[in-house]
Amino acid sequence: QKEVEQNSGPLSVPEGAIASLNCTYSDRGSQSFFWYRQYSGKSPELIMSIYSNGDKEDGRFTAQLNKASQYVSLLIRDSQPSDSATYLCAVSYDKVIFGPGTSLSVIP
Amino acid sequence: KAGVTQTPRYLIKTRGQQVTLSCSPISGHRSVSWYQQTPGQGLQFLFEYFSETQRNKGNFPGRFSGRQFSNSRSEMNVSTLELGDSALYLCASSFMEGGTGELFFGEGSRLTVL
Repeated sequence: QKEVEQNSGPLSVPEGAIASLNCTYSDRGSQSFFWYRQYSGKSPELIMSIYSNGDKEDGRFTAQLNKASQYVSLLIRDSQPSDSATYLCAVSYDKVIFGPGTSLSVIP
Repeated sequence: KAGVTQTPRYLIKTRGQQVTLSCSPISGHRSVSWYQQTPGQGLQFLFEYFSETQRNKGNFPGRFSGRQFSNSRSEMNVSTLELGDSALYLCASSFMEGGTGELFFGEGSRLTVL
């Protein structure tokens, strides 16, 4: 069974700090990797996609992919209280499979 | 550009009944995926439709079914409802099929089974 695992939360960081979210996946054939953010009571929204090994930066967000280690991460720099949400790692080969999510709380 | 629209937003059913949920994707998107979200299991893949064809199916019983129309709108049906079917059902549309594209989610249909 193809699985996506994420580091257990909740994760609490002070405002302005770096939040680090991790994800591992089991299917070596996975080709596309995504990070979604889900606020309480809302539906998931895409914040980052990454398709090749290395880093991809978008504003305060950096996604990192290491296919050899089957590992994806998301770094959030200068964390803000508005970043408090559940972050879902998603991996796709022929369909998109989501991890269980990591709850992030940014403390003012 | 209108987003993904799901109806109804909330519904309450009793065990044994059936329910039909509707999803209208973003204009131009031909892929529609359905997910079940519960606190204990997270987001679980139900199925994906692309150009009116089911392209993939998750590990759910046959009581869960779906279809897609020529205008890309999709419906999912759950028959013989069980208490455990209570969940948020999310529809997501994508320009590309098979999970290669980015998913855009609707607000969901929250089903409560009594």
